[in-house]
Amino acid sequence: GAGVSQSPRYKVAKRGQDVALRCDPISGHVSLFWYQQALGQGPEFLTYFQNEAQLDKSGLPSDRFFAERPEGSVSTLKIQRTQQEDSAVYLCASSPSSDAGEQYFGPGTRLTVT
Amino acid sequence: EDQVTQSPEALRLQEGESSSLNCSYTVSGLRGLFWYRQDPGKGPEFLFTLYSAGEEKEKERLKATLTKKESFLHITAPKPEDSATYLCAVQASSGGSYIPTFGRGTSLIVHP
Repeated sequence: GAGVSQSPRYKVAKRGQDVALRCDPISGHVSLFWYQQALGQGPEFLTYFQNEAQLDKSGLPSDRFFAERPEGSVSTLKIQRTQQEDSAVYLCASSPSSDAGEQYFGPGTRLTVT
Repeated sequence: EDQVTQSPEALRLQEGESSSLNCSYTVSGLRGLFWYRQDPGKGPEFLFTLYSAGEEKEKERLKATLTKKESFLHITAPKPEDSATYLCAVQASSGGSYIPTFGRGTSLIVHP
């Protein structure tokens, strides 16, 4: 079956531009996570949804980062006024359970801010 | 604060040379420990969940084990296609938070 998909796969933005990253989770999955992964590091938690409710956004680095999942399916991570330090791979993962144990990851969006 | 430390950072093996990867963790009550495999340019792929000390899970050439302080991923007679970064993550049972904490991973290269 279809896995988690993310778009775009690659994004180059000039410093100061706004970007929007999309995640299509596996159909019916309750939980959805966003992570940031730097080269050579493990994924770092950004925010978490259960259905349409954003239950935790403590990992978002600044108020320039915003995420939504309005209908409990597709999610968008938006970064306003991008900075060079925002350059990273952004991973989305979904889980069929509310305790979000076993997660299924998308391929990621590689964001480069120049 | 939950912590996960993986060792070694990198491991090179010859095909058929068995070895183990380590994941040491500190967590305020373990809900679950997870192993993932990540290939270059791809997202992590789920391998195993372990819930309690003494538990073991196997899949092909991989076996994951769990104690109260660490987990091992044993690779028996590896093949070049086992080359990848292996990530460990823990999820705490306290505080109602489902946020997993990931280690930095072990980069495994298996030479033919």
